Order: sequence, then C-alpha cells, then structure tokens
Amino acid sequence: DTAVSQTPKYLVTQMGNDKSIKCEQNLGHDTMYWYKQDSKKFLKIMFSYNNKELIINETVPNRFSPKSPDKAHLNLHINSLELGDSAVYFCASSQVQGGGHGYTFGSGTRLTVV
Amino acid sequence: TQLLEQSPQFLSIQEGENLTVYCNSSSVFSSLQWYRQEPGEGPVLLVTVVTGGEVKKLKRLTFQFGDARKDSSLHITAAQPGDTGLYLCAGRAETSGSRLTFGEGTQLTVNP
Repeated sequence: DTAVSQTPKYLVTQMGNDKSIKCEQNLGHDTMYWYKQDSKKFLKIMFSYNNKELIINETVPNRFSPKSPDKAHLNLHINSLELGDSAVYFCASSQVQGGGHGYTFGSGTRLTVV
Repeated sequence: TQLLEQSPQFLSIQEGENLTVYCNSSSVFSSLQWYRQEPGEGPVLLVTVVTGGEVKKLKRLTFQFGDARKDSSLHITAAQPGDTGLYLCAGRAETSGSRLTFGEGTQLTVNP
C-alpha cells in the first residue's frame, strides 16, 4: 500500500547510456514532481506536472525528459548519462499544486554513473 | 544565493538534551513545512505552518512560524536517538508562485 513508489531503488550504469526511472502514486494527487538530491543533501526541483501537464521545468539539460501518461504516473528518462548525473532522484506528489498541504515523497532512486 | 538558510548545518548532541534548528529567509512565505529524512528514504512531512506567529506541537517537537512569515524554528525537547535524521524546511515564497523551495537541511545526530 505504498503511497509513492519509484523504481528502481538503485541504478548503476556507464556514461553514455540511456536509463529510465518510474514513479507511481496511489494517493489520487493531482500534482507530481521530480527532485534531485546532491551529495550535500540539497533537494532541487527538476519538473512538476499537474494532471499530466508540465507546470515547472527548471534549468535541466535536454537529456532529461519527463513523461506523464496519466496523473498517477510520472517517469523520468535520461539520455547520454554523464558522471555529474550521479545523485538521488526523488519523485513526490501533492494534493494541490505547490504542495500547500505537503509533499509525499518516494524512497528515492540512487543513480551512479561510472 | 539560497532562498532558505538553515542553521546549524550539523548538530551532534547527547540523548536528553534540547535543541533548536532555524530556517531563515529574506522572503515572505505563504506556508512553510518541516520534513525529516532518514538514510535511504525520502523526506517525510512533519508539519505545515501557514499563519504568522503560529506554534504547532508534535509530541516533543515544537514548530514556530515567525510573525513576518520569513522564518521558522524547530525545537526538540529531550532528544532521543530516534530523532536522528536530516531536518529540512521548505516553503512557498509569495513571489515564486507554486514552487516549493527546500533549505539545505540540518543533519541531527543524537547519541545514546
């Protein structure tokens, strides 16, 4: 009965590869997000979708492409992976846009690019 | 420049001690939240404050929102090893629309 689930938990891949991270929420929330947490634990927003529509697209390289097939899913595809992409990626959802009532986070995907 | 400044960045104390973590900004926030993150997990929401001067209590944790809605504090009484974790404040600034911005976090270690 996990609220926000993302897969895989760990991802180790070589530079130049393409990989995807999947996220699903069963809370009925309208808004979903992708955040990147760097080695200093700083959480930075990458994308926000509200009911399948892109709302926030921060300064993220074009190699990162989110896809929301429905409001319960938000996947992240990364092309031509680079060493600097190594981080923990968190999916989150909120009942209202902007998270006024708080976010529910997944448990993260630790991406290591070698 | 960071919109939300948290202090201290690291805090290591003994079980039973009290502590306060601060979250400051020059911006006004329509709401502010505190999260706790444990290793290998995502942040978990502890509280949301929306009114200037608001105080909320969650067992041994006391959260306060500044009168001007520019700052917040988290006070833990009689800390326990189970309180160990990364504490994050996050807020929606009035000038940034729907975007929720996180502070850099305070890593708390409570030693038995």
